[in-house]
Amino acid sequence: GNSVTQMEGPVTLSEEAFLTINCTYTATGYPSLFWYVQYPGEGLQLLLKATKADDKGSNKGFEATYRKETTSFHLEKGSVQVSDSAVYFCALIGSSNTGKLIFGQGTTLQVKP
Amino acid sequence: EAEVAQSPRYKITEKSQAVAFWCDPISGHATLYWYRQILGQGPELLVQFQDESVVDDSQLPKDRFSAERLKGVDSTLKIQPAELGDSAMYLCASSVTSGRAGELFFGEGSRLTVL
Repeated sequence: GNSVTQMEGPVTLSEEAFLTINCTYTATGYPSLFWYVQYPGEGLQLLLKATKADDKGSNKGFEATYRKETTSFHLEKGSVQVSDSAVYFCALIGSSNTGKLIFGQGTTLQVKP
Repeated sequence: EAEVAQSPRYKITEKSQAVAFWCDPISGHATLYWYRQILGQGPELLVQFQDESVVDDSQLPKDRFSAERLKGVDSTLKIQPAELGDSAMYLCASSVTSGRAGELFFGEGSRLTVL
């Protein structure tokens, strides 16, 4: 079945450091790929998405590129801020699916001033 | 900005009791989802509605869980009887339609603790 694997957390960085959170997936066909973010005390919200191979999703300084050859969708940001502290979830919707999101286990990011 | 409303935010109950959660999706959203998020894990889909019809309830423990969306608007998720392993965050989400577009709008969740 379809699945998503994320790097273990927590990730602790200093402000302005470079961020990478690894995400790999297993799926048949061509899934759509997403990053959701959960800030403390808030609901999950969509951060960015990519729906076909080689697409790059971007938002709020974050980027992720859909790599079919490596089945990956790593999240990156060049300079993190304290306000980026949150839990980040990689997710997919399968190519033959009704819209069911399959999530990874989440990665907690803590950014220190 | 329109939001998905959930209640209660927190619920503490003893095992074998009945529990109910309510969700009001964003107006006009035809698809409604209930997810369960156990601490330290990603959310897992329990049930998906398209209007008032169930599209996917393959992961819903039907011996104790039930969900309904009678008029295709708000929804209720019930657990009876609750067990210790049901302690989790229950998330409701909605989207304009189902499919691969993937922008689900989530509520803040209902945190259940079973003692």
